[in-house]
Amino acid sequence: DVKVTQSSRYLVKRTGEKVFLECVQDMDHENMFWYRQDPGLGLRLIYFSYDVKMKEKGDIPEGYSVSREKKERFSLILESASTNQTSMYLCASSSGTGLTEAFFGQGTRLTVV
Amino acid sequence: GQNIDQPTEMTATEGAIVQINCTYQTSGFNGLFWYQQHAGEAPTFLSYNVLDGLEEKGRFSSFLSRSKGYSYLLLKELQMKDSASYLCAVRVLSGGYNKLIFGAGTRLAVHP
Repeated sequence: DVKVTQSSRYLVKRTGEKVFLECVQDMDHENMFWYRQDPGLGLRLIYFSYDVKMKEKGDIPEGYSVSREKKERFSLILESASTNQTSMYLCASSSGTGLTEAFFGQGTRLTVV
Repeated sequence: GQNIDQPTEMTATEGAIVQINCTYQTSGFNGLFWYQQHAGEAPTFLSYNVLDGLEEKGRFSSFLSRSKGYSYLLLKELQMKDSASYLCAVRVLSGGYNKLIFGAGTRLAVHP
């Protein structure tokens, strides 16, 4: 069974904290993605990575950064959490050919208070 | 810009057929996906179309017309467990990379 694992299902953080969301995949996929999902807005792409140490901005990168030091791990960092970053965060991975579907993790529901 | 539209909500009866439409305006089109997402769970892959026409997979079928920027997901013999959100996603080639852009999703409620 393919697996994308996110480190936490639920997180509560305070405004101004630095927050790390971790994602690990066991499929040897080259591509990894971070989305946030909000009611009525669907999934919006924050950042993606096509190789180790490589990153590209998605559609809403402001307030976020990422790290990919190893192929299997892609981390999303909120440098200084704000209440408007309260959301469901979904990590996904896909193979490098781009011809297959993306596999998603279970999601992390982050609340910033 | 990139835009994907699908209805917000639909209802249907157990055993019936339902069609969920998706229209898109994107540049660099490189395939269309449908995902199913139950409440509180991760999206799971349902179907993929890159050429015009119908792809059938059991009770689910998906259709694509690239010239019209249009797709639909057809669910037959509806079951209660089909109550979920259905996400239309377009893969676009941008700056040499493939990105998946999602619509807001259609929440389907199946009633007895």
